[in-house]
Amino acid sequence: QVQLVESGGGVVQPGRSLRLSCAASGFTFSSYGMHWVRQAPGKGLEWVAGILYDGSNKFYADSLKGRFTISRDNSKNTLYLQMNSLRAEDTAIYYCAKCRREITQYGMDVWGQGTTVIVS
Amino acid sequence: QSVLTQPPSVSAAPGQKVTISCSGSSSNIGSNYVSWYQQLPGTAPKLLIYDNNKRPSGIPDRFSGSKSGTSATLGITGLQTGDEADYYCGTWDSSLSAGGWGIFGGGTKLTVL
Repeated sequence: QVQLVESGGGVVQPGRSLRLSCAASGFTFSSYGMHWVRQAPGKGLEWVAGILYDGSNKFYADSLKGRFTISRDNSKNTLYLQMNSLRAEDTAIYYCAKCRREITQYGMDVWGQGTTVIVS
Repeated sequence: QSVLTQPPSVSAAPGQKVTISCSGSSSNIGSNYVSWYQQLPGTAPKLLIYDNNKRPSGIPDRFSGSKSGTSATLGITGLQTGDEADYYCGTWDSSLSAGGWGIFGGGTKLTVL
């Protein structure tokens, strides 16, 4: 079945870095755009970053640009989020989500269970 | 502050109908498809509606979506207690710079009284 499994979350000190991974299975990973979305405790969904099916274009939330980097390895069916200079306000559940199509402008039809990042 | 505006909460009795609005602008809802997501307590979001008004396989026809101009609406009929959840609209904002970005509404908490 179609599945996304995030990993790499944990407790990290302010200013440090963390890399999240999202392992995809059950679909042709290299054919779909992907996103990272986060949710702070008790808050709504916040889009973080998106990447095209082939990694040729990447998009970021303005507030995160320069600190976070999205990437993918289609040979490993894995999506990544490199997070640098972490701040307390980055504390959240981080979800990876599959786009319905190869580009990022369409809805997210499959979501992972999320990985928790706590900056403290 | 979310670029897409949703009411913080709505409520209705079991069996009744409810609508949730999502207001945006010409660069987002006005230019792109809208999706709706349901998030049950303690779980990941789930796609309910895509391309403004289409339902993924397995989503009952009690859920419907529509879009007009820069606003979109989610409708739920025959409310059930299991529908109690947070609902989010989402779309793409086609900014001229940087290729655009994804956006969500602030979310609406549905209470089935």
